[in-house]
Amino acid sequence: AQTVTQSQPEMSVQEAETVTLSCTYDTSESDYYLFWYKQPPSRQMILVIRQEAYKQQNATENRFSVNFQKAAKSFSLKISDSQLGDAAMYFCAYRTPLSQGGSEKLVFGKGTKLTVNP
Amino acid sequence: DAGITQSPRHKVTETGTPVTLRCHQTENHRYMYWYRQDPGHGLRLIHYSYGVKDTDKGEVSDGYSVSRSKTEDFLLTLESATSSQTSVYFCAISDRLTSGIYEQYFGPGTRLTVT
Repeated sequence: AQTVTQSQPEMSVQEAETVTLSCTYDTSESDYYLFWYKQPPSRQMILVIRQEAYKQQNATENRFSVNFQKAAKSFSLKISDSQLGDAAMYFCAYRTPLSQGGSEKLVFGKGTKLTVNP
Repeated sequence: DAGITQSPRHKVTETGTPVTLRCHQTENHRYMYWYRQDPGHGLRLIHYSYGVKDTDKGEVSDGYSVSRSKTEDFLLTLESATSSQTSVYFCAISDRLTSGIYEQYFGPGTRLTVT
């Protein structure tokens, strides 16, 4: 079974600085997807960024980028120019592709709480 | 916004009573999911559905049942609520993007307290 580990329960960053959140996963599959979700105090789960395992290029979305190391099974999230609105819980998630007969289920890490200090 | 609503948004109930949570979607998505979120555990899958009347268990399905009699509604039932089922419950749908990739989108959540 796939597992996802987020080793940092809490992180903090100064406004305008850069922070990196760590995520490792365990799988025997070669084709899969990885996601980062953000959960602000409103509780809404918001998709931040997605990475397809077959792509070598790291995904980026504005101030958010990932460092995907497939061999090391590592998928970290970098937030640049941190803003107060970035304060939230961040969850890393793993998913097998639907085409492989997987049931299209997400496996989540336990989350990292990010605090942004003004 | 993937057109997902959950009802009720908050509920307090007593141990031993039955509880049904509703997830409603307006965009004809095939796949629907129920997760629970607890401190220190992230989100864990309870049950999911891949079509009308087609459902399967997730990793924490004990004590829960689901039903999907029509595309737009996915119901989660706690037959006899226990204090360990106090949690925040999220419904999600899976939507296929134009790229062919599926992504999950979540409802606003239901906070359930079992006293």
